[in-house]
Amino acid sequence: QVQLQQSGPGPVKPSETLSLTCAVSGFSISSGYYWGWIRQPPGKAMEWIASVYHSGSTYYNPSLKSRVTISVDSSKNQFSLNLNSVTAADTAVYYCARHLSIAAAGGWFDPWGQGTPVIVSS
Amino acid sequence: DIQMTQSPSSLSASVGDRVTITCRASQSINTYLNWYQQKPGKAPKFLIYAASSLQSGVPSRFSGSGSGTDFTLTISSLQPEDFATYYCQESYSNLFTFGPGTKVDIK
Repeated sequence: QVQLQQSGPGPVKPSETLSLTCAVSGFSISSGYYWGWIRQPPGKAMEWIASVYHSGSTYYNPSLKSRVTISVDSSKNQFSLNLNSVTAADTAVYYCARHLSIAAAGGWFDPWGQGTPVIVSS
Repeated sequence: DIQMTQSPSSLSASVGDRVTITCRASQSINTYLNWYQQKPGKAPKFLIYAASSLQSGVPSRFSGSGSGTDFTLTISSLQPEDFATYYCQESYSNLFTFGPGTKVDIK
């Protein structure tokens, strides 16, 4: 059974860098699949941020691409997100998830990590 | 960019009711449409992919239909554990846009 456990900070100050890590258990990242990050701002729809393949190839939401880095560490079976120059608009619950992508059926997120609330405030 | 809308934004229902939630895309997305369930304080749970395919382990009272721009999620007989918020998500584009959600609560 694949499980994702997130770790990362709580409050972050404006202009700082948000760093989150997602540790995967029950499945080796090196075996395949994409791994992604999604966020849920208070009162707003969820927003996909970025995904990384086990090989390290990445793709990003263009609206965040200039500030985001996603990476994978197969030796630790985890992947990470860095979001720099944060503002109050980045306040959200951040989730990691396995990102399955099948050409004929599309892509979806399953399972998800437990979520990390991030508040950007001075 | 593809915009996703859902209706209603919330509904009240009783145990045993048949519930239908609608999701609409701003352009045709074929059947690249997924559904999730989220309970307060919890991560979303994946329910349905490709508009109508039930994820393994999801009760058969859940079903999905639609193609193009209009989709529905139906719960045939609402159970106490089904009170939650439901989200659609498109995977036609590389933005994987989510709908705003439909909250199902107890009447």
